[in-house]
Parts: sequence; structure tokens; C-alpha cells
Amino acid sequence: EPEVTQTPSHQVTQMGQEVILRCVPISNHLYFYWYRQILGQKVEFLVSFYNNEISEKSEIFDDQFSVERPDGSNFTLKIRSTKLEDSAMYFCASSTLGVDTEAFFGQGTRLTVV
Amino acid sequence: QQQVKQSPQSLIVQKGGISIINCAYENTAFDYFPWYQQFPGKGPALLIAIRPDVSEKKEGRFTISFNKSAKQFSLHIMDSQPGDSATYFCAASSMKTSYDKVIFGPGTSLSVIP
Repeated sequence: EPEVTQTPSHQVTQMGQEVILRCVPISNHLYFYWYRQILGQKVEFLVSFYNNEISEKSEIFDDQFSVERPDGSNFTLKIRSTKLEDSAMYFCASSTLGVDTEAFFGQGTRLTVV
Repeated sequence: QQQVKQSPQSLIVQKGGISIINCAYENTAFDYFPWYQQFPGKGPALLIAIRPDVSEKKEGRFTISFNKSAKQFSLHIMDSQPGDSATYFCAASSMKTSYDKVIFGPGTSLSVIP
């Protein structure tokens, strides 16, 4: 069964450093998403990406964040100058036709900022 | 307006019993209501979804009931099994105003005891 793959599974970084979270979406999917889940809290939408550009972003997704699809297969989330409150589980998801078709989620990357 | 409320926060059900999770929303533009199941260490997985043009949708042991006038919807898990123990998130999105963004509820931790 096709799946969304995320690396690394766990990333520890020092406050102020930049991190790049990587995702390989399902190959025939066209829509890509990043969500985050702070421990014990709900899953929050960060950004959606379609046709090589951001189609929607939340108020959480400020200038500290950026996304990129550098090579046609990977989909990355870059967090610049990380803060303690960026510690969370980050999930990548992809779907074929947008929000009303099933979005497949990856296993997540646990980001710990120390 | 963008919030999705969910209750209870946690639920313990005996094996064979019925698990019921309730959700409510305010934004009348929402027109797609998925439920996600999340096991520890995994990403959310789509369980079942409904559109507001129907009042009920059943897939196996899982049923969504939808009350458009009350802006409420619920998940019923019949004949609950220990393998159903997971966190369940109701969610909502709007094809009309926010094509790509799914708003998650805070989640319900379900434990099914033998």
C-alpha cells in the first residue's frame, strides 16, 4: 500500500537553529500539506501546497516557516530560528484532489527544541 | 467560527459496547466532515466522512450521524473492540471558502476494555 514517508522520525535541535523536515508524498498525489500536533493537543493545519505554490496557510505559518518541493518527489518544511514552542509532532499529508478526498498522513516527525 | 468542538475528551467502553463521540461546529460554510483515527506513534488516518446532504453514513461498525440544523455530528462505534482503542478526531472543511484546510477537533481518547 502506498504511504507518505517522513524523515527524520525524531529531530532534536537547539533553539535558534534551522531545521528541515522532509516528506515523500504518495507519487500520484497532487496536494500536499503540513500539520502539527503539540503533545496532547489537536492537530493544527499549517499549510497546503498545490501546483508548486502555497494554496492556503494558517496564521501559525508565519515568516519563520517555508515549504518547498525541490525535486518533484520531496516536500519539505523549513523552520528558521526555532523556538521552544515549535516543539511538536509535524505531519505531512498528501491527497489526489484536495480536501474532500482522503488525505494520507505520514508517521510524523517529532521535533524537540531545547 | 473556525472551531470544531468535540466531547468527551476521553471515553472508556466495555468490549461489545457502543462508543459515541460528539462534535459541533459554528461555521455554516463547512461542507465536508471527516473522522480520523490515530494510534500512538502514527499519523491520523481517515476513518469515515460525510457531507451535509445526508443525515447518516455507515461503514461497517462505524456510523456518522449528522444534524445540519443543530450543526452537530457524531461518530458511533458499534460492538467496540480493544483494537478500536485510539484517539479519534472529528474534523471539518469548506470547499466553498477554504479548499485545502481541514480543521480538527481536540480529539477523544477511546479505551475499549475487555
